[in-house]
Amino acid sequence: QQPVQSPQAVILREGEDAVINCSSSKALYSVHWYRQKHGEAPVFLMILLKGGEQKGHEKISASFNEKKQQSSLYLTASQLSYSGTYFCGTEEQAWAGKLTFGTGTRLTIIP
Amino acid sequence: SAVISQKPSRDICQRGTSLTIQCQVDSQVTMMFWYRQQPGQSLTLIATANQGSEATYESGFVIDKFPISRPNLTFSTLTVSNMSPEDSSIYLCSVRGGGLGTEAFFGQGTRLTVV
Repeated sequence: QQPVQSPQAVILREGEDAVINCSSSKALYSVHWYRQKHGEAPVFLMILLKGGEQKGHEKISASFNEKKQQSSLYLTASQLSYSGTYFCGTEEQAWAGKLTFGTGTRLTIIP
Repeated sequence: SAVISQKPSRDICQRGTSLTIQCQVDSQVTMMFWYRQQPGQSLTLIATANQGSEATYESGFVIDKFPISRPNLTFSTLTVSNMSPEDSSIYLCSVRGGGLGTEAFFGQGTRLTVV
């Protein structure tokens, strides 16, 4: 079953903060976050691994609650370039490789 | 990082025909995947392309409809067979390295329209 993201869409003014949530019904090994701009391929932002390790973008932070199978992506002091659709991708087992992508959150930043 | 070349970038096809999409990676990668994405929607995994063996398909996708080849560690093809308008979508190739916690890279996608 596909992870559920919230909100579905959000509009912010430049400089405001945003939080995007991802919730899975399954136990997870890792959570990935990607941003996709219209007509482009998804681009990697961050990985959060079971056990607390994180890898990713220096200006974006995220959290991973392993017990609740939930992750949140925090975008602070948003820039116009942050606009796009954000997807979480979940991995249930180490070495599984394949990702199950969430429902998506469309973020629009306005000047 | 990995650079992925996916061809064609778009195509318009007649129903009942087949289209083969190619995915070429600039380095050897352990894992290759094919996704489908309806405009404005999320990505749905079609299958994992296994080097030298049959692909592993997700529920709802079958080999007869979406045959996949992966002859080596840098190349894969996805064929969409006997197409219908419902197959109109964006098809994306994705790769991951072999280590734990590695990110996924995506091709630019193939926008398929079936008329």
